[in-house]
Amino acid sequence: DGGITQSPKYLFRKEGQNVTLSCEQNLNHDAMYWYRQDPGQGLRLIYYSQIVNDFQKGDIAEGYSVSREKKESFPLTVTSAQKNPTAFYLCASRSGTGVFGTPLHFGNGTRLTVT
Amino acid sequence: SQELEQSPQSLIVQEGKNLTINCTSSKTLYGLYWYKQKYGEGLIFLMMLQKGGEEKSHEKITAKLDEKKQQSSLHITASQPSHAGIYLCGADRGGGADGLTFGKGTHLIIQP
Repeated sequence: DGGITQSPKYLFRKEGQNVTLSCEQNLNHDAMYWYRQDPGQGLRLIYYSQIVNDFQKGDIAEGYSVSREKKESFPLTVTSAQKNPTAFYLCASRSGTGVFGTPLHFGNGTRLTVT
Repeated sequence: SQELEQSPQSLIVQEGKNLTINCTSSKTLYGLYWYKQKYGEGLIFLMMLQKGGEEKSHEKITAKLDEKKQQSSLHITASQPSHAGIYLCGADRGGGADGLTFGKGTHLIIQP
């Protein structure tokens, strides 16, 4: 079955360490997205990518970095520059680019805790 | 930028009762999406509305987009424990390629 796999489900890190969250999809979707979810704040867009080797900043990109070397993969690195990294991170994908009317498909998320 | 406001923020309903969740946009909606999320999990797509006045149903859940395309409602008939979770509305951001913007969600609890 096609879908989006995020790993790991839970991640614990010490403050000052970089950490990379994995996102893999086998839906053959062109566009991929990273969102951050915090209680009371909903989902906020971090980065998105429409094609391989190209990505754009979302609303809260500071302290994060991404790469898109393969169509199937869109890893997110949370750097030590991110001031409040503890959150629930969601990866999503969408078929086509620049089109309205296509839903996002989501992974099951990674909960990152930084102490 | 477009903002989506959901109401109520939380809702406790007795099993078997009907309920409605609203989503109001600050701008005209070109695509309105409803998702459901169980705590600690990803979002599950429920349905999408694009045309003013459009109404869609899936099992006991019905969603409508008003004629002016700035408000949507999600109605659940005869609620069941399986309906519990967080309901989020999302809308296409300006260019379409840059994903969706979301409301903050409505937490639904079903009391037996």
